[in-house]
Amino acid sequence: DIVMTQSPDSLAVSLGERATINCKSSQSVLCFSNTKHCLAWYQQKPGQPPKLLLYWASTRESGVPDRFSGSGSGTDFALTISSLQAEDVAVYYCHQYYSTPQTFGQGTKLEIK
Amino acid sequence: QITLKESGPMLVKPTQTLTLTCTFSGFSLSTSGVAVGWIRQPPGKALEWLAFISWNDDNRYSPSLKSRLTLTKDTSRNQVVLTMTNVDPVDTGTYYCAHCTSSATYYDYWGPGTLVTVSS
Repeated sequence: DIVMTQSPDSLAVSLGERATINCKSSQSVLCFSNTKHCLAWYQQKPGQPPKLLLYWASTRESGVPDRFSGSGSGTDFALTISSLQAEDVAVYYCHQYYSTPQTFGQGTKLEIK
Repeated sequence: QITLKESGPMLVKPTQTLTLTCTFSGFSLSTSGVAVGWIRQPPGKALEWLAFISWNDDNRYSPSLKSRLTLTKDTSRNQVVLTMTNVDPVDTGTYYCAHCTSSATYYDYWGPGTLVTVSS
């Protein structure tokens, strides 16, 4: 199984500041003839299902604000929120869909400082 | 517009069989490339992938649960049924079904989830 490890487990950032969440996979998730990374990011607020933010590591889902961006390659990836808004308080998960069993990171709780 | 909704018992006794139904709209599981996955989340814990079922019955299961899980689809009723045998209290959690495509299995639409408690 591919192990997804996120860091940090929790993060407190001031409103308007940048927030970065990291995700490391135990093996490469480069897929599709070595052109894309099979990695997605989700946002989950209390009592709600996860919401897809990014896929192929850096492609923003329709309707997701452009302050959310994804980067990385190989085994190291990051989700960045360029200017934190109050509504961004949530738990964030990375997810590899390169192979089954699909696996998720343990989650990163993002709060306002 | 794609929607999904999970249904099933809220409380199940240990060793019993759990049957959950995902009823969806806005897509068909008879359409090439479509798939539906199941993911669960114990209270206060992370997401865990369980399985997915594809339009062509190319089903995949978590190896740790494969002996206990079965996925079936009813394309005429737009439903997917997840069956889990011999449940245990560790199976307690919120169960989600979600839409994906068989070529890119990230989950773009999710149901609201259903909380299942396993307890005697």
